[in-house]
Amino acid sequence: NAGVTQTPKFQVLKTGQSMTLQCAQDMNHNSMYWYRQDPGMGLRLIYYSASEGTTDKGEVPNGYNVSRLNKREFSLRLESAAPSQTSVYFCASSEGAPRRKSPLHFGNGTRLTVT
Amino acid sequence: AQTVTQSQPEMSVQEAETVTLSCTYDTSESDYYLFWYKQPPSRQMILVIRQEAYKQQNATENRFSVNFQKAAKSFSLKISDSQLGDAAMYFCAYSSLGDTDKLIFGTGTRLQVFP
Repeated sequence: NAGVTQTPKFQVLKTGQSMTLQCAQDMNHNSMYWYRQDPGMGLRLIYYSASEGTTDKGEVPNGYNVSRLNKREFSLRLESAAPSQTSVYFCASSEGAPRRKSPLHFGNGTRLTVT
Repeated sequence: AQTVTQSQPEMSVQEAETVTLSCTYDTSESDYYLFWYKQPPSRQMILVIRQEAYKQQNATENRFSVNFQKAAKSFSLKISDSQLGDAAMYFCAYSSLGDTDKLIFGTGTRLQVFP
């Protein structure tokens, strides 16, 4: 019963470095999401994928790219990390619409620090 | 655009007592979904309860219930018989019925439970 698995759990980057956050779900969900959580800001949607092969921008997409590799996997890439991207990142998945039947299932988060 | 506001950054309650967390939202839509998510120190986001706006009856899940006031755009969470394990961050969230597949979160309320 793994649910949503994110790797890594912690990461420290230097400004300008790149990295990819990995996310996989084993619930056969159609939709996957990347959120960032900052103090006093709640969770903000970065990108989402409503189905395999599609991706869309959320509230704060700048500085990020995503890839929906297959139905299970949805990765988030930082091409050139900036201190403003220091945050906790959450991946989530859901069956998809209708929302009343498909709540979000979250991973355990990745704490990223950019120095 | 829809917004979700949680005006209580922190709340505390004595074990076995009842506490109410507040949430207000703004939307021009007539039908939508509302959620409360719990985030314990483990950082895993857990769905506590959900409400469909077209249903007048308030949702309940064991010790958790909501007071949904559609006209006032208010969606408060009541936790009865509070337990130490209820200590966490609680997030209110809004989801449109449209096909955007986005969930909008409030900034959260940290709940402390004292023995």
